[in-house]
Amino acid sequence: DGGITQSPKYLFRKEGQNVTLSCEQNLNHDAMYWYRQDPGQGLRLIYYSQIVNDFQKGDIAEGYSVSREKKESFPLTVTSAQKNPTAFYLCASSRERTEEQYFGPGTRLTVT
Amino acid sequence: SQQGEEDPQALSIQEGENATMNCSYKTSINNLQWYRQNSGRGLVHLILIRSNEREKHSGRLRVTLDTSKKSSSLLITASRAADTASYFCATDAGYNFNKFYFGSGTKLNVKP
Repeated sequence: DGGITQSPKYLFRKEGQNVTLSCEQNLNHDAMYWYRQDPGQGLRLIYYSQIVNDFQKGDIAEGYSVSREKKESFPLTVTSAQKNPTAFYLCASSRERTEEQYFGPGTRLTVT
Repeated sequence: SQQGEEDPQALSIQEGENATMNCSYKTSINNLQWYRQNSGRGLVHLILIRSNEREKHSGRLRVTLDTSKKSSSLLITASRAADTASYFCATDAGYNFNKFYFGSGTKLNVKP
């Protein structure tokens, strides 16, 4: 089965802790993206990557970090510097940067 | 502010009726995409329409694009209860076609 997976589905953390969200795809896509979605809102771009070992900040990158060491993987770390980390996080990939995006099922992060 | 904005924010119709959602954007685009999101899930791509296209069909979906008005519409014909979801438009943006901007979505409720 080709697709994009995110784990875990639900994540709970204490304030002040860093947490890493996993995103893996076996679609052989070059581009990968991380979005944040707050209740009743649209998606906001955190980071994106067009190729391995390269990534660019999106609109709300502060308090987040990423890596792209392998084509298949694009993990997102939510650091303690992120002021309001509780949200629904969505990872996506696309064959090329302007083509349709395939989304994972999302990770719901709750920080207390 | 975000590139794409949907209208209306919420829409409630009876099964069998048509549903129309609109999207407006601010800057020139390469393409515009429509996505669907069931509650608490990832997004699913519906249709991509390029800036040189005016209309596109896929099953019960019809998308139009008016670049002079910087707007698009999504029409779902003969709606079903299973169409109940949030619908988002996404546009690439201005000089940096690497990024996609999602609107805040239209929440569609189809009553059986």
